[in-house]
Amino acid sequence: LAKTTQPISMDSYEGQEVNITCSHNNIATNDYITWYQQFPSQGPRFIIQGYKTKVTNEVASLFIPADRKSSTLSLPRVSLSDTAVYYCLGRDPTSGTYKYIFGTGTRLKVLA
Amino acid sequence: GAGVSQSPSNKVTEKGKDVELRCDPISGHTALYWYRQSLGQGLEFLIYFQGNSAPDKSGLPSDRFSAERTGGSVSTLTIQRTQQEDSAVYLCASSSSGTGLNTGELFFGEGSRLTVL
Repeated sequence: LAKTTQPISMDSYEGQEVNITCSHNNIATNDYITWYQQFPSQGPRFIIQGYKTKVTNEVASLFIPADRKSSTLSLPRVSLSDTAVYYCLGRDPTSGTYKYIFGTGTRLKVLA
Repeated sequence: GAGVSQSPSNKVTEKGKDVELRCDPISGHTALYWYRQSLGQGLEFLIYFQGNSAPDKSGLPSDRFSAERTGGSVSTLTIQRTQQEDSAVYLCASSSSGTGLNTGELFFGEGSRLTVL
């Protein structure tokens, strides 16, 4: 079973850069690495995805090493509104289906 | 609609009653997922549909849980004889899964909050 491992929680201050790393040792060859953000009482929402190297969008950057066994979500200059739970997403490569498993998530708290 | 729609948004029921939760996915999305999220916890995979068939039901907690999807669109998650431990937010997501690279981009609804008294 594809298992993703992330830190349970992180604290940061406004204006700092936050890096959250996820380990996904069993990621399938043809799978993207995808990250989600979830605010309280809302469904998760897609932030960013990548296959290898670096991807950047208006919200975040995603760094993926050559072996693809981990990925790092980078949030530049966080604000209080970035306080949320961040999930990396893995697919079960043995099931032959699109069974996507969420890890425990990283609870980010941004302090003033 | 533009996004994934779930109903009801909130449901309070008594222990032992049956409940039905509905999910309207984004039009054209072939894959549909149900997850459960207990208070303060992560997302627990329940079941996944590709079209109208469910290749993977392994996440359903017990035989009191069932789900169906008709017309490749709307899905209903049914919980029979509800128990207090069924209280959670039930989240539905859809995606346009296909062949080739698996993007894992799921679009979530706002969830149905179930409270079993």
